[in-house]
Amino acid sequence: EVQLVESGGGLVQPGRSLRLSCAASGFTFDDYAMHWVRQAPGKGLEWVSGISWNSGSIGYADSVKGRFTISRDNAKNSLYLQMNSLRAEDTALYYCAKSAGGMIRQKPDYWGQGTLVTVSS
Amino acid sequence: QPVLTQPPSSSASPGESARLTCTLPSDINVGSYNIYWYQQKPGSPPRYLLYYYSDSDKGQGSGVPSRFSGSKDASANTGILLISGLQSEDEADYYCMIWPSNAWVFGGGTKLTVL
Repeated sequence: EVQLVESGGGLVQPGRSLRLSCAASGFTFDDYAMHWVRQAPGKGLEWVSGISWNSGSIGYADSVKGRFTISRDNAKNSLYLQMNSLRAEDTALYYCAKSAGGMIRQKPDYWGQGTLVTVSS
Repeated sequence: QPVLTQPPSSSASPGESARLTCTLPSDINVGSYNIYWYQQKPGSPPRYLLYYYSDSDKGQGSGVPSRFSGSKDASANTGILLISGLQSEDEADYYCMIWPSNAWVFGGGTKLTVL
């Protein structure tokens, strides 16, 4: 069974940094691309970033480009999102999602429960 | 990134069918894209339902009932999720999604109420 468990969320002041983690199990992690998708309170879904199986292909939404960095450690079955220069509009529930294949252009098919990031002074 | 337009809300009665739409901007041809659909219930993460490209190229998510199906209306540049034989458990938010280039784009979502 695919399991994705996010951690690292919390309350952070504007301009500060936060690092999210996602622990994966139940599948061969290094065969699949991974994604971060967020959902602001009461709002819709927004794709944030994706990384291919070997980290050779990475993509970001325009809204986070230059501020967020996605990475993965296949030896630890873990996905990360380093978030710098946080803004109030980054407040959201951040989901880790597994891709259907090794490339980020393959759809997210399984999702974790999410970790909440609140940016406020 | 392009904007995918979904009606904010829709409603239908149990046993009826619900037709949820996802309209692409005029500079993106719906015929060129896989349209993906997700279901999200309150307090839960999204669940992948299906994708539709054409009648010969489509796919159902694992465990998703066949009463969920996809189609396109090329004249309206729209992707469609059809839910037949509505059940109370189908009440949820539904999101469409495409990969136009280098990023996934979601529609704003439709809240489906089963009356």
